[in-house]
Amino acid sequence: ETGVTQTPRHLVMGMTNKKSLKCEQHLGHNAMYWYKQSAKKPLELMFVYNFKEQTENNSVPSRFSPECPNSSHLFLHLHTLQPEDSALYLCASSLELRSPSGANVLTFGAGSRLTVL
Amino acid sequence: QQPVQSPQAVILREGEDAVINCSSSKALYSVHWYRQKHGEAPVFLMILLKGGEQKGHEKISASFNEKKQQSSLYLTASQLSYSGTYFCGGGGSNYKLTFGKGTLLTVNP
Repeated sequence: ETGVTQTPRHLVMGMTNKKSLKCEQHLGHNAMYWYKQSAKKPLELMFVYNFKEQTENNSVPSRFSPECPNSSHLFLHLHTLQPEDSALYLCASSLELRSPSGANVLTFGAGSRLTVL
Repeated sequence: QQPVQSPQAVILREGEDAVINCSSSKALYSVHWYRQKHGEAPVFLMILLKGGEQKGHEKISASFNEKKQQSSLYLTASQLSYSGTYFCGGGGSNYKLTFGKGTLLTVNP
């Protein structure tokens, strides 16, 4: 248990479904991230929120829609996904965003394994 | 451009040593190392902020050569618990971390 909890851990959905992934942290962190982890590929940053404000959308297709109602919760809403979207989606948090990237130590959740049929 | 890690995979016997390398074509302000066991969250190991900095974590240590934009992770006297995928993350001029593809380390009895 890292302090970042993701639900569900596994999700299977059809291409026409709408589902959501949830991430929760009570570490007192103010920055939250969504990463996509695919086999044999580097971790891909998708979205970043800092104090509930979105600071990064890394050219993610609109079928992925993030929501951050407060600094402790982060959602990823999914709709009309494609089979190539099947992957492990990791949520992470850090105390804050620092630039240059010095001390943004990330605490990851265990991920939500998504399969799109 | 993500950092390049080598080797992609390594198999050790318990007690052996290993080195995992991470190199970047872009200037790095920091290097992070994480380990992910199968089905688990990636876990932070250490961060290196200055050129030439070396840090240790039990029998795992790392160095950062800022001039060469390279970092190496050293695992000595490996234990079964060291098995997992090791990722380096390169920190650039903004807050973003760019990760390498990972190195799969397997430690056998």
